[in-house]
Amino acid sequence: GAVVSQHPSRVICKSGTSVKIECRSLDFQATTMFWYRQFPKQSLMLMATSNEGSKATYEQGVEKDKFLINHASLTLSTLTVTSAHPEDSSFYICSASKNTEAFFGQGTRLTVV
Amino acid sequence: GENVEQHPSTLSVQEGDSAVIKCTYSDSASNYFPWYKQELGKGPQLIIDIRSNVGEKKDQRIAVTLNKTAKHFSLHITETQPEDSAVYFCAASNRDDKIIFGKGTRLHILP
Repeated sequence: GAVVSQHPSRVICKSGTSVKIECRSLDFQATTMFWYRQFPKQSLMLMATSNEGSKATYEQGVEKDKFLINHASLTLSTLTVTSAHPEDSSFYICSASKNTEAFFGQGTRLTVV
Repeated sequence: GENVEQHPSTLSVQEGDSAVIKCTYSDSASNYFPWYKQELGKGPQLIIDIRSNVGEKKDQRIAVTLNKTAKHFSLHITETQPEDSAVYFCAASNRDDKIIFGKGTRLHILP
């Protein structure tokens, strides 16, 4: 298998502030990582594809200026939720693929108060 | 784009009985079909997967079948145990590695 580490696992922030979530592939290099959002009792919804060294590709309806993605190295992608609001509270999960198999991080529970 | 439908949304089975979850997909270019188990507050864990060049795959109590013509695939869990209780997601992916998930099935194993 492969290990994808996500940090932090939980974060509480005030409305209007920004939060950064990190996703690391620990034992392999990932040119592409994916970011998902999951609301309670719902499925994982793909937000964007993070491409190392280039701009992220966002899914329809996802605001690129609100969810900033940076993939500066082959083992690290970051998602920054800017000017967070309570409706951004959710479970955010990243994944990275190795040999076409996807490995997921542990997820980050974001609560905006 | 790909659309994955999954049913049932909730499934309760007696311990020891079998559970079956079914999914359909829309994009004929999809060639990889993983199944994930998600426990509360955790990321999804891959439990089994199948590629479009095979019709069936088995791993101990878990099996997956794929019908490419009908674009549907199923998860079978036999001899269910309490620890099988979780949410299960089917998914489909094509060559660009995007994983598109079904809506999930909450499986309850009854004592």
